[in-house]
Amino acid sequence: DSGVTQTPKHLITATGQRVTLRCSPRSGDLSVYWYQQSLDQGLQFLIQYYNGEERAKGNILERFSAQQFPDLHSELNLSSLELGDSALYFCASRVAEGGYTFGSGTRLTVV
Amino acid sequence: AQSVTQLDSQVPVFEEAPVELRCNYSSSVSVYLFWYVQYPNQGLQLLLKYLSGSTLVKGINGFEAEFNKSQTSFHLRKPSVHISDTAEYFCAVSDRSGGSNYKLTFGKGTLLTVNP
Repeated sequence: DSGVTQTPKHLITATGQRVTLRCSPRSGDLSVYWYQQSLDQGLQFLIQYYNGEERAKGNILERFSAQQFPDLHSELNLSSLELGDSALYFCASRVAEGGYTFGSGTRLTVV
Repeated sequence: AQSVTQLDSQVPVFEEAPVELRCNYSSSVSVYLFWYVQYPNQGLQLLLKYLSGSTLVKGINGFEAEFNKSQTSFHLRKPSVHISDTAEYFCAVSDRSGGSNYKLTFGKGTLLTVNP
């Protein structure tokens, strides 16, 4: 158990719908990084939050948004879903200088 | 910006054979280097990391990697693999100075398949 909790583990939804993925970092960790893993793009950095503030943005679509709440959990919102959004979505905490621990991921299937 | 190239997308080996998974990176700044493993239907687990110091890094499950600054490489090795090492392996880098807030840039992954 990495200590980073992601829910749900699996999500099946239809095109055009909106979903919310949740991540709770390890106790005491202030940072959350979101990554998308797909067969064609590999592992792509989406966005980072630190103590409630957005710190870095990667290849995140405008249809996607995220936030980090005062209790440090984070949510990734995906809207107007397309078939190509089907992927594994991971969140991670930076636990030490340069070190990361990942959650077990949410597998999103858009049908 | 950084990039990572994993030179082999698939590496099949027999059990108890040695294996090397190759990783080269490109960066205009100093980097931290990582290897992660992903077993089927699971998340990413850290195998080992290079932050500073000795260029030979030992990790979990008998894996080790060597940082070669002149060749910008960080190849992963294991002297004798087991069936249970079958998984996908990812090399990753992050900016040592905290640029882009230490985000990881991953390679495309190498699927290691250990056959009996």
